[in-house]
Amino acid sequence: DAKTTQPTSMDCAEGRAANLPCNHSTISGNEYVYWYRQIHSQGPQYIIHGLKNNETNEMASLIITEDRKSSTLILPHATLRDTAVYYCIVRVETSGSRLTFGEGTQLTVNP
Amino acid sequence: KAGVTQTPRYLIKTRGQQVTLSCSPISGHRSVSWYQQTPGQGLQFLFEYFSETQRNKGNFPGRFSGRQFSNSRSEMNVSTLELGDSALYLCASSLFPGAETQYFGPGTRLLVL
Repeated sequence: DAKTTQPTSMDCAEGRAANLPCNHSTISGNEYVYWYRQIHSQGPQYIIHGLKNNETNEMASLIITEDRKSSTLILPHATLRDTAVYYCIVRVETSGSRLTFGEGTQLTVNP
Repeated sequence: KAGVTQTPRYLIKTRGQQVTLSCSPISGHRSVSWYQQTPGQGLQFLFEYFSETQRNKGNFPGRFSGRQFSNSRSEMNVSTLELGDSALYLCASSLFPGAETQYFGPGTRLLVL
């Protein structure tokens, strides 16, 4: 699986959009970009994933650059409950369920 | 639908002992993966089970083992515990290996003294 690079930490004001970047410059054509988050002392939670196109669900939006070398997770209206470590993961779905977690980004949403 | 259940939630053991952790996946999910999370190494994949067979294994010593039962419930065992085995052990379930979404349980926090 390709390596990802994320900022160690970010801050965001409550109610504002949180934009979390991820670099995956060595991504292969068949690798998907996944985002999970982990609220302190809980299990990770799936957020969203995509291959090429931008994706949106009830939690977030995922913007993938045209060359697929980077992506941005957008939480449109961050709340205090969005404070968590956010992990960007790239993987081939045919490789089974294995997820390779990096260090992630600690997002702190401030009141 | 009930989520992933892990038991026990907390456990204290001493060096040299062994421990068995249990994971019940979401109903209908047949793939179970295990992860270890420590402050130093982060989240690391241990192994994945599907249809009672280990499909994938991470880079852990043989002291770490697992199994899956016909009802998809899974157990992992750590023998001859070491201080460094103190960690949060997480279980994730999905419909099948490689399914788009995995659901994680709350974890079992193991402390080895």
